[in-house]
Amino acid sequence: DSGVTQTPKHLITATGQRVTLRCSPRSGDLSVYWYQQSLDQGLQFLIQYYNGEERAKGNILERFSAQQFPDLHSELNLSSLELGDSALYFCASSVEAGVSDEQFFGPGTRLTVL
Amino acid sequence: AQSVTQLDSQVPVFEEAPVELRCNYSSSVSVYLFWYVQYPNQGLQLLLKYLSGSTLVKGINGFEAEFNKSQTSFHLRKPSVHISDTAEYFCAVRINTGFQKLVFGTGTRLLVSP
Repeated sequence: DSGVTQTPKHLITATGQRVTLRCSPRSGDLSVYWYQQSLDQGLQFLIQYYNGEERAKGNILERFSAQQFPDLHSELNLSSLELGDSALYFCASSVEAGVSDEQFFGPGTRLTVL
Repeated sequence: AQSVTQLDSQVPVFEEAPVELRCNYSSSVSVYLFWYVQYPNQGLQLLLKYLSGSTLVKGINGFEAEFNKSQTSFHLRKPSVHISDTAEYFCAVRINTGFQKLVFGTGTRLLVSP
């Protein structure tokens, strides 16, 4: 158990819908990262937050957005869902945002878009 | 930009045999290197990392990896595998400055049979 929690574990929805994925980092961790794992794209970095502020963006679509709240939990919002958005979405956290900080991964949320 | 190549998508091996999972990377700047393991229906767990110093890195569960700068490789090895080592293994790189975007390889599935 990494100490990072993600809810829900599974999510099934239809095209065009909007969903919210939630992540609670390890106690004391200030930085949160979101990754997408799909069969065709592999594991890809989406976005990073540090202490409530966006720190870096990766291959995140405009239909996707995220935020980190004052209690440091984070939410990833996916809208206008397409079949291709079906994937496993991971959240990770680290103490700081330093390059050598280890990232601890949550168990993921499996999103299925029908 | 950095990239990671894991040439073997699947490696079958018998229990108690040695194994090597190959990882090659490409980067124009210095990088940190990581190996993560993903057990079925779970998140990623850090096996080991190379930041600096000794090129032979020892990790958890008896795994080790050797950083070879001239060959831009970071192969993962274990002298004797167990059934419980069956999992997906991901090599990842991160530049050693700036924000910590992890770039993952496509993964190698290790299948250990009795």
